[in-house]
Amino acid sequence: QQQVKQSPQSLIVQKGGISIINCAYENTAFDYFPWYQQFPGKGPALLIAIRPDVSEKKEGRFTISFNKSAKQFSLHIMDSQPGDSATYFCAARIIQGAQKLVFGQGTRLTINP
Amino acid sequence: IAGITQAPTSQILAAGRRMTLRCTQDMRHNAMYWYRQDLGLGLRLIHYSNTAGTTGKGEVPDGYSVSRANTDDFPLTLASAVPSQTSVYFCASQDSNTGELFFGEGSRLTVL
Repeated sequence: QQQVKQSPQSLIVQKGGISIINCAYENTAFDYFPWYQQFPGKGPALLIAIRPDVSEKKEGRFTISFNKSAKQFSLHIMDSQPGDSATYFCAARIIQGAQKLVFGQGTRLTINP
Repeated sequence: IAGITQAPTSQILAAGRRMTLRCTQDMRHNAMYWYRQDLGLGLRLIHYSNTAGTTGKGEVPDGYSVSRANTDDFPLTLASAVPSQTSVYFCASQDSNTGELFFGEGSRLTVL
């Protein structure tokens, strides 16, 4: 049972375009929603994160949009660059005796030059 | 700054053998985690530890065990490896102030 559902599984975008990755969740106990970026052969690293009391967070070319009522959140990469080519994971945190992050299935993003 | 160090980087293992994946952190984080990464399934939590001396089960704990004798080390043991445990394993620690997870570079395990 996947608690966080991510789509698409893979995405190809032209350089300069907008990349959009979507995630949906069911558990309303989640209180923190990060996105992680992973390059080949490396571990994931935190890219950007949002809490459910705000609807949007922007850091440079990266924006998280959060819709609490729909239980959905998305990552937008503006002016996508070849260096953004990586696998992206959305996640959600639950605190039930311990803090645990539940990850989506991942999206392999390729930016064509 | 090393962060999270995992060993081995990769390993090929015969089914039925015992294997321990090592994980060491130098950030003095209390919470540590083991995830496995499989294509199409993302990162799934195997076991976690809130602090030294305590451990807990994640989403996919069967066939794995962990120990947390001290703050820095969090080894993952496969008592009798099976082919379905072929995966890339990531160890992580958590900054309790920010909630951010710091991952190692992974251990690629192939069970034949």
